[in-house]
Amino acid sequence: AQSVTQLGSHVSVSEGALVLLRCNYSSSVPPYLFWYVQYPNQGLQLLLKYTTGATLVKGINGFEAEFKKSETSFHLTKPSAHMSDAAEYFCAVSDQAGTALIFGKGTTLSVSS
Amino acid sequence: ETGVTQTPRHLVMGMTNKKSLKCEQHLGHNAMYWYKQSAKKPLELMFVYNFKEQTENNSVPSRFSPECPNSSHLFLHLHTLQPEDSALYLCASSQGAGYTFGSGTRLTVV
Repeated sequence: AQSVTQLGSHVSVSEGALVLLRCNYSSSVPPYLFWYVQYPNQGLQLLLKYTTGATLVKGINGFEAEFKKSETSFHLTKPSAHMSDAAEYFCAVSDQAGTALIFGKGTTLSVSS
Repeated sequence: ETGVTQTPRHLVMGMTNKKSLKCEQHLGHNAMYWYKQSAKKPLELMFVYNFKEQTENNSVPSRFSPECPNSSHLFLHLHTLQPEDSALYLCASSQGAGYTFGSGTRLTVV
């Protein structure tokens, strides 16, 4: 069965600083990996996903993530944080297309000026 | 508008009430899902439907009863709920590796 671990339930950065949100997964088959963002009182918005091919994935709003099979990781990064990036971020895994996503516990990103 | 529409957005119900949550997608997706998001727990998968057939029930109490009349609609019927059932209920649909989530229904059980 798949599982996802997000290290750090809360990350705080200054505006303009590097954002790094950590995600490690467990899967018995090559995984599909996702990052979602959730703003207060809203649903989940897809930031990026990895299915096959290039291991460095670029998403919306300047975010990117790299699939590292040897480390079973899919960390999310952004070179320069904006105040508008403050939100809850979720990493998710599925073992094949059409099966349910399994989510990590989420990381709250705070951005200070 | 995300492509997956959930109604109502907010619902307050007593423990003896019966209510239903509705989810609708016109993306042509063949799989639909119910998730529960509560304050202190991660997103919990509740039910999975593929081509209108339930393929997964994640040990959900029987006071939650899903219904999928066609590939575009998914309901969650609620009865005799408990206060701990208060949460955000999210619906999602998928086709291949493309998953789309609705904005959720915020449920409060009083």
